[in-house]
Amino acid sequence: AQTVTQSQPEMSVQEAETVTLSCTYDTSESDYYLFWYKQPPSRQMILVIRQEAYKQQNATENRFSVNFQKAAKSFSLKISDSQLGDAAMYFCAYSDDKIIFGKGTRLHILP
Amino acid sequence: ETGVTQTPRHLVMGMTNKKSLKCEQHLGHNAMYWYKQSAKKPLELMFVYNFKEQTENNSVPSRFSPECPNSSHLFLHLHTLQPEDSALYLCASSQVGGREVYNEQFFGPGTRLTVL
Repeated sequence: AQTVTQSQPEMSVQEAETVTLSCTYDTSESDYYLFWYKQPPSRQMILVIRQEAYKQQNATENRFSVNFQKAAKSFSLKISDSQLGDAAMYFCAYSDDKIIFGKGTRLHILP
Repeated sequence: ETGVTQTPRHLVMGMTNKKSLKCEQHLGHNAMYWYKQSAKKPLELMFVYNFKEQTENNSVPSRFSPECPNSSHLFLHLHTLQPEDSALYLCASSQVGGREVYNEQFFGPGTRLTVL
């Protein structure tokens, strides 16, 4: 069965610094999507970035980028130039014909 | 209205009450989902509706009853709930294409449910 593991329940980073959130997954499928979602306190969950497994190039969205290592089944999220508004719960998710979320990493931004 | 909306935002109910959660999506998507999010567990997918047909029911107790009258509306009917059912209930929608792979999900703000 597919699983998604986020090994860091909480992390802190100084404002303007760079932080990397880790995510590993397990699957025997070759075609799937990977996502990072952000859930700010008391606000809606939104998509941060998406990666299609058949694309070798790492996805990037402004200050957010991923390091997708398909063979290692690793999908980490890098946030550059951290801002106070980046403070949130971050969920890694895997999907093929089902969708599975990790337990989340709570990110604190230190001013 | 834009995106995915949910009502009510907060709900307190007794174990003998019957209530319903409502979700509406304004994105033209063809699939809708109910999730349960609690402090102890990650996001748990409860139900999936694809083109108004229920395609997934992840062993959810029968005290939760979903209804999808059309592709824009989704309900979760609640009856005789237990205190452990207290959680944030999230609705989401997405556009499902031919690859049968779950695509990006758009989430509503959630309903914070407390069962006394």
